Amino acid sequence: GENVEQHPSTLSVQEGDSAVIKCTYSDSASNYFPWYKQELGKGPQLIIDIRSNVGEKKDQRIAVTLNKTAKHFSLHITETQPEDSAVYFCAAVLGTGTASKLTFGTGTRLQVTL
Amino acid sequence: NAGVTQTPKFRVLKTGQSMTLLCAQDMNHEYMYWYRQDPGMGLRLIHYSVGEGTTAKGEVPDGYNVSRLKKQNFLLGLESAAPSQTSVYFCASSYGFRYGYTFGSGTRLTVV
Repeated sequence: GENVEQHPSTLSVQEGDSAVIKCTYSDSASNYFPWYKQELGKGPQLIIDIRSNVGEKKDQRIAVTLNKTAKHFSLHITETQPEDSAVYFCAAVLGTGTASKLTFGTGTRLQVTL
Repeated sequence: NAGVTQTPKFRVLKTGQSMTLLCAQDMNHEYMYWYRQDPGMGLRLIHYSVGEGTTAKGEVPDGYNVSRLKKQNFLLGLESAAPSQTSVYFCASSYGFRYGYTFGSGTRLTVV
């Protein structure tokens, strides 16, 4: 079935290093790809999103890249800080018309160590 | 600026009991959703609504019912709770599928 795969499931980096999380999707018609950050005990929060008419989008230390041909997109966090430690979810709108839904990946637990 | 408010935050049910989870949003969003989150399985869509008076099934709808009588409220019901429904439940709202979702802070439900 249509799904979103996310890797890695856990990621540990030292403070100041970069972190990269990758996702692949199955539906070539997908055109909206958001990323969410979930801190412990809280609901997910949108941190950045990209639409299929652009290949890259940046917001300060975070960036998302999209390769529609290969059907994958990635989250890049530079100069990581302890407050970046959280679970990150990618998502993609799969399906068309009234059957379209936002489907989430299974999450990546990022740990930024001092 | 409350955003999405979920009540209750925690609940313990006995098998077979029923309950209703409440979700309210103050952003005038048309779309509302209920997800469950289980370890290692991400967020799975239970039911959703694209407007007042409408509901539709998501990925894992069995054992749940929903109602959207008012635009700002989306209720999730469990008629006969089962241990498999032990999970964290999140409500979310948005202007549409292709817009950012605003999530509530979650309800941790344990069925014993």
